[in-house]
Amino acid sequence: GAGVSQSPRYKVTKRGQDVALRCDPISGHVSLYWYRQALGQGPEFLTYFNYEAQQDKSGLPNDRFSAERPEGSISTLTIQRTEQRDSAMYRCASKLAGAYNEQFFGPGTRLTVL
Amino acid sequence: AQSVTQLGSHVSVSEGALVLLRCNYSSSVPPYLFWYVQYPNQGLQLLLKYTTGATLVKGINGFEAEFKKSETSFHLTKPSAHMSDAAEYFCAVSDPSNDYKLSFGAGTTVTVRA
Repeated sequence: GAGVSQSPRYKVTKRGQDVALRCDPISGHVSLYWYRQALGQGPEFLTYFNYEAQQDKSGLPNDRFSAERPEGSISTLTIQRTEQRDSAMYRCASKLAGAYNEQFFGPGTRLTVL
Repeated sequence: AQSVTQLGSHVSVSEGALVLLRCNYSSSVPPYLFWYVQYPNQGLQLLLKYTTGATLVKGINGFEAEFKKSETSFHLTKPSAHMSDAAEYFCAVSDPSNDYKLSFGAGTTVTVRA
């Protein structure tokens, strides 16, 4: 496809379960970003990759959250032992290399933890 | 550190009236500035961006914004609102020296009255 895709679009899980959220960036985009958006708020940075290297994970809330991009394309954000406070929209964006290029966002994954 | 403040979480305008969405930012370095729009059940779409050069930037769908360094503002305007402009709008700032991570405002929801 031409845009960033994310799956699943909706995920409902029970507290304590692990979840894996997938992001498929635009082909050729070097950088990949993960954001989390609570209801009524703007997205907040979680982590980002250049190619397969995780450059910054300062926004990950705690060690239950991890992300990988092993081949420099698809990325997975994993949340272990989910808690109700993890419920949010998780957004992925990708970007070409270069200073003036913008981030292109996927449709997001709505996570609900019961 | 960077932050973004959007004045007004909800704005209601009449069709054909001026749309004005306010955005102020704080940044320790010259920032890149963005406006994104979010339609229901869709990803964030870039409206316009300022990186360098001309401070009045034009975007898609008739929107424009002006970077005013002295006021640390990047307000978004459209001379004549259309029903299709009903959406949520986010102002964002990135630090070119910090891997282009985006910091978002809380968003402004625009409704257009017929």
